[in-house]
Amino acid sequence: KQEVTQIPAALSVPEGENLVLNCSFTDSAIYNLQWFRQDPGKGLTSLLLIQSSQREQTSGRLNASLDKSSGRSTLYIAASQPGDSATYLCAMSGGGADGLTFGKGTHLIIQP
Amino acid sequence: DAEITQSPRHKITETGRQVTLACHQTWNHNNMFWYRQDLGHGLRLIHYSYGVQDTNKGEVSDGYSVSRSNTEDLPLTLESAASSQTSVYFCASSETGAAGEQFFGPGTRLTVL
Repeated sequence: KQEVTQIPAALSVPEGENLVLNCSFTDSAIYNLQWFRQDPGKGLTSLLLIQSSQREQTSGRLNASLDKSSGRSTLYIAASQPGDSATYLCAMSGGGADGLTFGKGTHLIIQP
Repeated sequence: DAEITQSPRHKITETGRQVTLACHQTWNHNNMFWYRQDLGHGLRLIHYSYGVQDTNKGEVSDGYSVSRSNTEDLPLTLESAASSQTSVYFCASSETGAAGEQFFGPGTRLTVL
């Protein structure tokens, strides 16, 4: 059974800083890795999807990387803003399972 | 714009009652999924469907059932609600199955007393 781990569980940084969120997974037979944002009491918003054949994806101030050999993905947020405060979830598909396997998330607070 | 809607958004029920949560998507996606989100466990897959008349069990399917009679809808039924099924339930859909990008609904918060 594949597992997805996110470190740290919580992070608080001043506005303007660049930051990295980490995600690791146990199964290298991955189809893709997806990063989501979840605001309190809300659903999940898809941020980036990285296919297994890709090494990174970028959208605005966000950049996600994927290293299958080491079982790791990172989400880089540049020039953080208070509006970036949310819980960030990574999820993988593959490894013989249908659906997504989720990490427990990183709760991010950007201090004004 | 295409979207996924879930209803009701909040539901309180009693132990032993049957409950159905609705999920409707206008993406015209063949693939639909139900997850539950609990503190300490994250999101876990309950059931999924890859097309009309197709349904499959996920990691935590006991006590739940789904049916798929059309492309747009995948209702989730709790046959006899239990307190352990108090959770937030999310529906999702994707164009290309498990390997495709999944889009999520706003969730249903269910409380079983």
